[in-house]
Order: sequence, then structure tokens, then C-alpha cells
Amino acid sequence: EAGVAQSPRYKIIEKRQSVAFWCNPISGHATLYWYQQILGQGPKLLIQFQNNGVVDDSQLPKDRFSAERLKGVDSTLKIQPAKLEDSAVYLCASSLDRGYTDTQYFGPGTRLTVL
Amino acid sequence: DAKTTQPNSMESNEEEPVHLPCNHSTISGTDYIHWYRQLPSQGPEYVIHGLTSNVNNRMASLAIAEDRKSSTLILHRATLRDAAVYYCILRDVGGATNKLIFGTGTLLAVQP
Repeated sequence: EAGVAQSPRYKIIEKRQSVAFWCNPISGHATLYWYQQILGQGPKLLIQFQNNGVVDDSQLPKDRFSAERLKGVDSTLKIQPAKLEDSAVYLCASSLDRGYTDTQYFGPGTRLTVL
Repeated sequence: DAKTTQPNSMESNEEEPVHLPCNHSTISGTDYIHWYRQLPSQGPEYVIHGLTSNVNNRMASLAIAEDRKSSTLILHRATLRDAAVYYCILRDVGGATNKLIFGTGTLLAVQP
């Protein structure tokens, strides 16, 4: 079974530029998550989708971050404009449903460096 | 969301058992205890979860205290591949979302 795919794996940009990350979840997984992991910290949820709809985006900085999930499958996360503090690893995860014992499967992440 | 407390780091020798502790003194009756680990340069991966009873799977065992205020993840024979950050997470069965709230975890070093 193929895992969660993410691209690119690495991205270096200058502040005020824009950047986009792509995620392809495990086939059949209804729920998709984007996490931000700053160096030395645990991942922090940015946004959660259930199929096409947003379940939780309370931690998403909406003035600069946006995300969409196309046809309930692939998802993109965009930052525009980027700030230095956005340097982090962006992790995508997916799960079958929203049950409390539901396992989340993570992709390898995209490491973003903002100069 | 209830919080957990874990040691920042631990060391183990290869092929020896490892006991990773987690304190969750404010756990509620509807909180499940989940463990994930993150290998270097990878995303987190699921290890095990439990509610009240001890649990075993192919990766590890989870021992839960009778009062549920603490738990221990047990790796029966550590290998070099087990070197990772281990996260203990509480998930509320009554919560509106399925999100994982990660702390800083325990960095496990395994010596050959």
C-alpha cells in the first residue's frame, strides 16, 4: 500500500515570496491533515479536512496561509507571503475517518527554509 | 486538551528493554493514550494506543497505571532503528476533531 506522498521534499525561498506544497493521501482516506513542525518542537496541526470540507483550521494563520483539498483527494498548502518564522517542516497526514482511535499516517514532510 | 509530561531524553543499549514513561495526571475518563514516534528526517508513525488495559502489538507494549495518571511504553529489545523521538498523546473520544496534540516528546538514543 502506497503511503502519503508529499512534494517537494525541500524548498528554499526568500521572505515575502510565495510557496506551495502538495500532498497525496493514502487512497480511500477521508481525512487529511496539515501539520507544521518547527525545529525542536512537536508537530502542530494547521488544518484538518474531512473529504472536501474543513473540520478545524483554528491554528492556521489565515492572513498568509491557505489550503484546499481537490475533489476530496489531493491537497495543497500555500504560504503568501512567507516570513522567516515560517521556516519549518510541513507534514501531511491522512486517516480513514475521524474516530478517536483512528491512526494517522504521515508523509515524509517538506522542509521549508525562508531566508 | 489534557497534557502529558515526558523526559526530554533517554539512552538505551541495543537489545535491552526500554521503558519510556509518560505522566498525564489530568487525564479524563474519555481520553485514550496514544504513542507515536518520529524517526530522523521522517514523519511521525503510530506505535500503540490504549484506554485502561495494558496493550501489546508487534512494535511495543503499553502499560497503563491503575489510576491512569501515568503510562509506560515498553520496547522489549531496542534496536538501532528504534532511535527516535517518542510522543505520548491524549485523545479525547468526545472531542470535535481527531487532531493529535504533540508535546516535545522523549528523544531516545540507542547505543550499539
